[in-house]
Amino acid sequence: NAGVTQTPKFRILKIGQSMTLQCTQDMNHNYMYWYRQDPGMGLKLIYYSVGAGITDKGEVPNGYNVSRSTTEDFPLRLELAAPSQTSVYFCASSQDRDAYNEQFFGPGTRLTVL
Amino acid sequence: GIQVEQSPPDLILQEGANSTLRCNFSDSVNNLQWFHQNPWGQLINLFYIPSGTKQNGRLSATTVATERYSLLYISSSQTTDSGVYFCAVEGRQAGTALIFGKGTTLSVSS
Repeated sequence: NAGVTQTPKFRILKIGQSMTLQCTQDMNHNYMYWYRQDPGMGLKLIYYSVGAGITDKGEVPNGYNVSRSTTEDFPLRLELAAPSQTSVYFCASSQDRDAYNEQFFGPGTRLTVL
Repeated sequence: GIQVEQSPPDLILQEGANSTLRCNFSDSVNNLQWFHQNPWGQLINLFYIPSGTKQNGRLSATTVATERYSLLYISSSQTTDSGVYFCAVEGRQAGTALIFGKGTTLSVSS
């Protein structure tokens, strides 16, 4: 099991550019999440998904979009990058909210917008 | 929403010392996890502990759900224990977010 994998590890964008952060999990988890971590802070939820075809907003969704076409993949899209989106992005997954819901995190993507 | 407070914010130890990190939360929870974020930024799951006590080597954790707090114990600390320790909780109401505290930054020197 590779667990939760994310690509790329690092990226520098110019203001107004777009990109997709990739996230894949091989644990057959239903729930997947995107968080961002700003310097010196804990993580905040951007979007989450409870299964293929179902997504919902978290605490800080503005400027991002997601899709969930398969159980394994949960890409995060930045359409018009802004300096405020400079952050470390973590993807996570968990089996089931109502039963055992330990969340497992990927290694993160460090994004800088200049 | 649910509030998570961690203390102390910073902790400096000599190698071999013991420490206790505390996490207070403001409402009932379905899920509580402790993480270690190492100096490379990687989040490492330490414990999934919505209630009770667990031990893993030199680390142990206790959550007293009725009193809304959790404790993480680190014994015989090593330099590799350095980093930020996060407590994160998920409330019982709708929504599946883990709410993170601001973390405790631990520095262990030899």
